[in-house]
Amino acid sequence: DTAVSQTPKYLVTQMGNDKSIKCEQNLGHDTMYWYKQDSKKFLKIMFSYNNKELIINETVPNRFSPKSPDKAHLNLHINSLELGDSAVYFCASSHSGAVNTEAFFGQGTRLTVV
Amino acid sequence: AQSVTQLGSHVSVSEGALVLLRCNYSSSVPPYLFWYVQYPNQGLQLLLKYTSAATLVKGINGFEAEFKKSETSFHLTKPSAHMSDAAEYFCAVSQASGTYKYIFGTGTRLKVLA
Repeated sequence: DTAVSQTPKYLVTQMGNDKSIKCEQNLGHDTMYWYKQDSKKFLKIMFSYNNKELIINETVPNRFSPKSPDKAHLNLHINSLELGDSAVYFCASSHSGAVNTEAFFGQGTRLTVV
Repeated sequence: AQSVTQLGSHVSVSEGALVLLRCNYSSSVPPYLFWYVQYPNQGLQLLLKYTSAATLVKGINGFEAEFKKSETSFHLTKPSAHMSDAAEYFCAVSQASGTYKYIFGTGTRLKVLA
């Protein structure tokens, strides 16, 4: 009964490849996010979607393209992978209209670009 | 603009000793504040949240935090550390409504010594 699930958990790929990470939430939330956690554990928001619409794009390179087919899914596609893309990517969700709402996080996808 | 600052990237305490992890926030609107914990190779789990209902907030695993507006602080405490508390702790802030972004501090790694 995982609330926010991401696949795959680990991803090792070569530079220049294209890869996707999938995220699904079963909490009925209307807002979903992608965060990047670097090697120093710093968490930075990349994107947020509300009701399938892009709300925040935090100066992420165009090689990163999120897609939200419905409110329960937010996938992340990365083109032409670079060494610097190696990180842990977290999907999260929340209910924007609720008072005192917190974000629920997935288990993360550890991306290693070699 | 909102931000959080966590003083001390590493904190070590003896088992049974008081845990104090510091968080200061900056926000031009009433903030919602959160503490998350991250165990190795896992996602983020909510410990507790401040939502303006009470300044002293109790969370899971014996943790609590006190919101002090005059000091713009939301420090996390636990009276007696346990070995299982060893993890990375993140303070986060969001705005009170229409939340599409959670801003995280740089994290504090808690080490518990036997």
